[in-house]
Amino acid sequence: DTAVSQTPKYLVTQMGNDKSIKCEQNLGHDTMYWYKQDSKKFLKIMFSYNNKELIINETVPNRFSPKSPDKAHLNLHINSLELGDSAVYFCASSQVGGLSYNEQFFGPGTRLTVL
Amino acid sequence: DAKTTQPPSMDCAEGRAANLPCNHSTISGNEYVYWYRQIHSQGPQYIIHGLKNNETNEMASLIITEDRKSSTLILPHATLRDTAVYYCIVIGNQGGKLIFGQGTELSVKP
Repeated sequence: DTAVSQTPKYLVTQMGNDKSIKCEQNLGHDTMYWYKQDSKKFLKIMFSYNNKELIINETVPNRFSPKSPDKAHLNLHINSLELGDSAVYFCASSQVGGLSYNEQFFGPGTRLTVL
Repeated sequence: DAKTTQPPSMDCAEGRAANLPCNHSTISGNEYVYWYRQIHSQGPQYIIHGLKNNETNEMASLIITEDRKSSTLILPHATLRDTAVYYCIVIGNQGGKLIFGQGTELSVKP
């Protein structure tokens, strides 16, 4: 059973389009995250949600809007896609509280290519 | 967050121990050392963490110096599947805001 899953795995789209990436975890965790890994392989946190409440927002453009319908899902919606949004996006989850936040389980990633 | 310094790359022979160093000279008293790895085209994977005592689990051992300014991740018998980028992260109780540096690209060779 996949612990953290993301769909789609690959996403190719045109500049200006709106797209969504879905993430689901079956670990029973209360906290979920989105990370972006750019072409230089730097991995940066974007958001975290704790039981559907936004906890971390790392100065991400407001074209990016995370949505958490329930604690097992954290979707990432991106409006007006730009070339610079091309990256691999990783979803992660963890238990809540203290050091538990630091032991995160990552999904397989979604490679977004904006043309 | 304390900064970490790791060598950009290392090689290791299959079956030998891989020792990956990390410097974190500005670590504060309530910060832990975490290690993650990222195998090519996969998401990062948690390996181990520690505060000041040495730690061991089924994946690796973590040796932290007494002054806590550096640490070493040890993979006792490296296999080809251990080829990955290894990240050393220093973090306290900050709600999971992991900050990944450049890491060490470990190549395990036959």
